[in-house]
Amino acid sequence: DQQVKQNSPSLSVQEGRISILNCDYTNSMFDYFLWYKKYPAEGPTFLISISSIKDKNEDGRFTVFLNKSAKHLSLHIVPSQPGDSAVYFCAASGEGNQGGKLIFGQGTELSVKP
Amino acid sequence: ETGVTQSPTHLIKTRGQQVTLRCSSQSGHNTVSWYQQALGQGPQFIFQYYREEENGRGNFPPRFSGLQFPNYSSELNVNALELDDSALYLCASSHRGPPYEQYFGPGTRLTVT
Repeated sequence: DQQVKQNSPSLSVQEGRISILNCDYTNSMFDYFLWYKKYPAEGPTFLISISSIKDKNEDGRFTVFLNKSAKHLSLHIVPSQPGDSAVYFCAASGEGNQGGKLIFGQGTELSVKP
Repeated sequence: ETGVTQSPTHLIKTRGQQVTLRCSSQSGHNTVSWYQQALGQGPQFIFQYYREEENGRGNFPPRFSGLQFPNYSSELNVNALELDDSALYLCASSHRGPPYEQYFGPGTRLTVT
């Protein structure tokens, strides 16, 4: 039972354009959502998070949007840079005794072409 | 500020053997979580430790066990290794509580033959 899904295994974008990575979830008890970036041979790097009480959070070139009614979140990267090429994972967490047990999607490999 | 470190980087074991993986938390963090990442998949939660006690477990059998030490470093032990245990094992440290941002080490690549 895949509670967090990233349906696009890969995405290719031109440098300077917007990258939009999507994530769907099924568990309405999730309260926090996080995005991570992973380069080969490294651990995932935290990018940005959002609480379920918000619908948008922005940090520099990265913006996460949350649509609770659709159980959907997306990560926007503007402008995209070649160094952004990596695998991106979305993750979700409940709260209380489920807090911090991150449930990850399968990942989307982003390729930003110069 | 020292980040999360893991050892060893790579490990090859034979089916049926036991393995211990080690993790040092980022300074200031009191919670450690372990994840298994199979090829082409996202990380899967194994368990979490807080104040040296297990604080939640994913869908992994009891032959996966762990420890957290007073300095917040941690070990993951796997007994009776199976071929399917071949994966990247990731350790993450964090503060306890929301927003649950976890900071990962580089991982240990375990190969079981």
